[in-house]
Amino acid sequence: GAGVSQSPSNKVTEKGKDVELRCDPISGHTALYWYRQSLGQGLEFLIYFQGNSAPDKSGLPSDRFSAERTGGSVSTLTIQRTQQEDSAVYLCASTLRGRYNEQFFGPGTRLTVL
Amino acid sequence: EDKVVQSPLSLVVHEGDTVTLNCSYEVTNFRSLLWYKQEKKAPTFLFMLTSSGIEKKSGRLSSILDKKELFSILNITATQTGDSAVYLCAVEEPSGTYKYIFGTGTRLKVLA
Repeated sequence: GAGVSQSPSNKVTEKGKDVELRCDPISGHTALYWYRQSLGQGLEFLIYFQGNSAPDKSGLPSDRFSAERTGGSVSTLTIQRTQQEDSAVYLCASTLRGRYNEQFFGPGTRLTVL
Repeated sequence: EDKVVQSPLSLVVHEGDTVTLNCSYEVTNFRSLLWYKQEKKAPTFLFMLTSSGIEKKSGRLSSILDKKELFSILNITATQTGDSAVYLCAVEEPSGTYKYIFGTGTRLKVLA
């Protein structure tokens, strides 16, 4: 596709359930970021993948959060045992190698934990 | 702790007005500052600034960085209703981490 895509666009789940959020980056982009944006807040860095290097997981808020990137392309962010404070918009961005400043964002997944 | 602060938090203006949005930062070993426009969910890239005093311009939008006073401004002249959005500022963390610290944004509403 022409841009970064994310699915689902909206997810409502019950507290304690696991959720998986998917990101398809722009073809050829080697770097992929996950961010979280709570209502009225800026973007909070979660995790960063670059090629085959070990991901930078320093922004993950707890061990309930994990992410993987298969084949250097599609990425899945998993939140286990969701809590109400996990409710937010989860944004994915991808960039070309060496051009990390120009991040192309997907439309995000709005997660609501009841 | 590194941080990015934007002001004002929100702003309401009328079409044709000029606005100035502010972004101040405290980041060790500054590398670059980015501005994004977020209309619905996906932020779109506006500018990247690395050097002091050099204005970046795109149509009615312009931005400049002051590395001595640690801030940047984003100017929008002759505002239009389509400029209504949240404007985000982000600063790259040092040491080649390729991570960015985002401010909470300025919500701009332009009235017809």
